[in-house]
Amino acid sequence: QQPVQSPQAVILREGEDAVINCSSSKALYSVHWYRQKHGEAPVFLMILLKGGEQKGHDKISASFNEKKQQSSLYLTASQLSYSGTYFCGTEPFMDSNYQLIWGAGTKLIIKP
Amino acid sequence: DSGVTQTPKHLITATGQRVTLRCSPRSGDLSVYWYQQSLDQGLQFLIQYYNGEERAKGNILERFSAQQFPDLHSELNLSSLELGDSALYFCASSATDGRGPGYTFGSGTRLTVV
Repeated sequence: QQPVQSPQAVILREGEDAVINCSSSKALYSVHWYRQKHGEAPVFLMILLKGGEQKGHDKISASFNEKKQQSSLYLTASQLSYSGTYFCGTEPFMDSNYQLIWGAGTKLIIKP
Repeated sequence: DSGVTQTPKHLITATGQRVTLRCSPRSGDLSVYWYQQSLDQGLQFLIQYYNGEERAKGNILERFSAQQFPDLHSELNLSSLELGDSALYFCASSATDGRGPGYTFGSGTRLTVV
């Protein structure tokens, strides 16, 4: 079952912060985060492998709450280059195919 | 350059025709995944190959087929094309057949069916 991403879209001014959430109804082994700019390929940002884990990538960080089966992506002091669509991909524990199940994406627009 | 090579970048063809999309995975990666992305939509998983064998199938139409060759490159064949098949087709590769590393995507093939 597809994870739910929220919000669907967000518009920010440069320098503002944003949080994107990804919630699953299944127990998760991991959560992946990717960013896709319009017409380009998705680019891997980070993977969170266990509950409570947090990671950072420049001013982008993420956390994984295994009790809630939810991951949040934090974009701090957003830059114009952060614009794009952010997808989470989840790996449920019980799926033997180990396929990523993708969220529908969150469109992030950063204005100067 | 992500290390995953997809050709061609653009393809325009007529309804009813057949096309082949090609993907060379990043060096050392054994898994290849194929995805379809329609305009401003999410990623629809089509099929995965690992070290030459089909590993998982997603929402792949019977008109579509794929294979992975001994040199690990993969081809996606789309036949009896319909207007609705127009989309971006991405392949991605990863080192394993399952859990763990992130996927590296190719730049995609934009297919337009007219």
